Amino acid sequence: AQKITQTQPGMFVQEKEAVTLDCTYDTSDQSYGLFWYKQPSSGEMIFLIYQGSYDEQNATEGRYSLNFQKARKSANLVISASQLGDSAMYFCATDPGGFKTIFGAGTRLFVKA
Amino acid sequence: DAGVTQSPTHLIKTRGQQVTLRCSPKSGHDTVSWYQQALGQGPQFIFQYYEEEERQRGNFPDRFSGHQFPNYSSELNVNALLLGDSALYLCASSLEGGWGEQFFGPGTRLTVL
Repeated sequence: AQKITQTQPGMFVQEKEAVTLDCTYDTSDQSYGLFWYKQPSSGEMIFLIYQGSYDEQNATEGRYSLNFQKARKSANLVISASQLGDSAMYFCATDPGGFKTIFGAGTRLFVKA
Repeated sequence: DAGVTQSPTHLIKTRGQQVTLRCSPKSGHDTVSWYQQALGQGPQFIFQYYEEEERQRGNFPDRFSGHQFPNYSSELNVNALLLGDSALYLCASSLEGGWGEQFFGPGTRLTVL
């Protein structure tokens, strides 16, 4: 079955340090996308970064980078130089087949001053 | 350029009632997906609409139905409400043929009493 697993319910990081949020996925599709979204307490889902299954280079968007290891089926999010505003829920997701998006349970990140 | 909008913001209903939630996609987007997010969980895919047709559906009963209009806006209808339908309902829009990035609306918080 297609599934996203996020094993860290909560994470703490000191301001200005880097943090890695873990994500593993399970899909039999050859073509799929991997996504990370941020959800602040306001509730709105904010797109952060995308990695296609055929992309050989890891995706980067500003302070966000996606560590894509296809053989291990992992798609970890790295946030560099954490800021207080990064405190939020983070969801990993995939869209096997291109239509339906499957989300993980999320990781709550707390950034300490 | 308006993003995805949803109405209403909050809604309180009683068991057995019916509810209609509305979504206007981001300008230029033609595909709308609906998600249910229970408290403390990741979003669950309900269905996706493209060209006024339901293209794919998640594991939700027939009480959940939808519609897409010629202007790409969409409605989610839930009949015979149950207490377990209480959740944040998120609408996301995307562009057919794109690489799958979805833009989410702020959500409708539904409470069933």
